[in-house]
Amino acid sequence: GAGVSQTPSNKVTEKGKYVELRCDPISGHTALYWYRQSLGQGPEFLIYFQGTGAADDSGLPNDRFFAVRPEGSVSTLKIQRTERGDSAVYLCASSLTGILQNTEAFFGQGTRLTVV
Amino acid sequence: DAKTTQPNSMESNEEEPVHLPCNHSTISGTDYIHWYRQLPSQGPEYVIHGLTSNVNNRMASLAIAEDRKSSTLILHRATLRDAAVYYCILSSGGSNYKLTFGKGTLLTVNP
Repeated sequence: GAGVSQTPSNKVTEKGKYVELRCDPISGHTALYWYRQSLGQGPEFLIYFQGTGAADDSGLPNDRFFAVRPEGSVSTLKIQRTERGDSAVYLCASSLTGILQNTEAFFGQGTRLTVV
Repeated sequence: DAKTTQPNSMESNEEEPVHLPCNHSTISGTDYIHWYRQLPSQGPEYVIHGLTSNVNNRMASLAIAEDRKSSTLILHRATLRDAAVYYCILSSGGSNYKLTFGKGTLLTVNP
């Protein structure tokens, strides 16, 4: 079946511009996560949605980052006034529930964002 | 969050078993041990998880020390496709949705 889909796969943008990254989770998964991975590092947690609501957004680095999931399925990560330090691979994951002791997280292939 | 320690890299030969260690000496009683792996240019992929007892699935086995301060991921017969970064992660009861990744172990499999 279809896995987690992220679009675009690559995005190059100029410093100061606004970008949106999209995630289509696996159908029926109530939990959705965004992670960010810099070169040579493990993924870093950004935000967790349970249904439509952000249950934990403590990993968002600053107020330039915002994410939504208005209908409890597709999610969009929005970055305003991009900076070169935002360049990374942005990973989306989903799981049946938010209790990872009982289920597993499925990750997409990521969006590679490059800010020039 | 409780921390894990893994070797930076390991090497194995194809069709031989691989034992990937993880130390987690500050683990608490409710922390689960998760293993994910990341193949080149892919997102992480679930491998296995457990609490106290050893676990087996089609991909691997997880051996958990009696005091739970360490665990070992066992790949019974490594293939070239198993070359990846392997992450050992603890999740706590209060934040059981969150995976805190370290740098993991880069496994190289030689033909």
